[in-house]
Amino acid sequence: QSALTQPASVSGSPGQSITLSCTGVSGDVGRFDHVSWYQQHPGKAPKLIIFEGSKRPSGVSNRFSASKSGITASLTISGLQAEDEADYYCCSYADSITLGVFGGGTKLTVL
Amino acid sequence: EVQLVQSGAEVKKPGESLKISCKISGYTLTRNWIGWVRQTPGKVLECMGIIYPGDSDTSYSPSFQGQVTISVDKSISTAYLHWSSLKASDTAIYYCARFGLGSAFDYWGQGTLVTVSS
Repeated sequence: QSALTQPASVSGSPGQSITLSCTGVSGDVGRFDHVSWYQQHPGKAPKLIIFEGSKRPSGVSNRFSASKSGITASLTISGLQAEDEADYYCCSYADSITLGVFGGGTKLTVL
Repeated sequence: EVQLVQSGAEVKKPGESLKISCKISGYTLTRNWIGWVRQTPGKVLECMGIIYPGDSDTSYSPSFQGQVTISVDKSISTAYLHWSSLKASDTAIYYCARFGLGSAFDYWGQGTLVTVSS
């Protein structure tokens, strides 16, 4: 199973909204609703910010939202803040053999 | 409070064996699977496998089948990742994580850096 495709980097200014994409294939993102998104700051463990495609765990800011269309999942961060600068990874359940498939990650820079 | 606390960094030589640990607390252990995730020096994340602490049922991603062994000791709420013969390509950060909300990893350990070099 190939990794999901994410842009290597995106940037935005404080206050802006920005959308990160995650493209899979019909067998993963296109087939299941179990897409999750993780935020990782330098030197820290990944943190779950979205699960089941669009749900936020308790304590995660509502500035983070997500959706899916076909084989592409998207994460939108509104009201961009300096603290949002991090790496973002998507992950999709593929099948009981492959388990989770991660994207290559997107580095978000807040200008 | 859910916590996963991993063992410290390791430096090993190729061919050596290694077992790293993940101490779990703050919830009923048998409610969730526990997984191990590798992050390569290039920052690629890969799901290695998961284990159910209730009966030690284990599932490995194809890339890691036969390369590592995942185990758990329920009596001390600790999961393990074991290599019998390390390779330089095993150099990475290894995270344990709880497989929870919507088949996602909802709580993570702090990571264990494993360096394999002659």
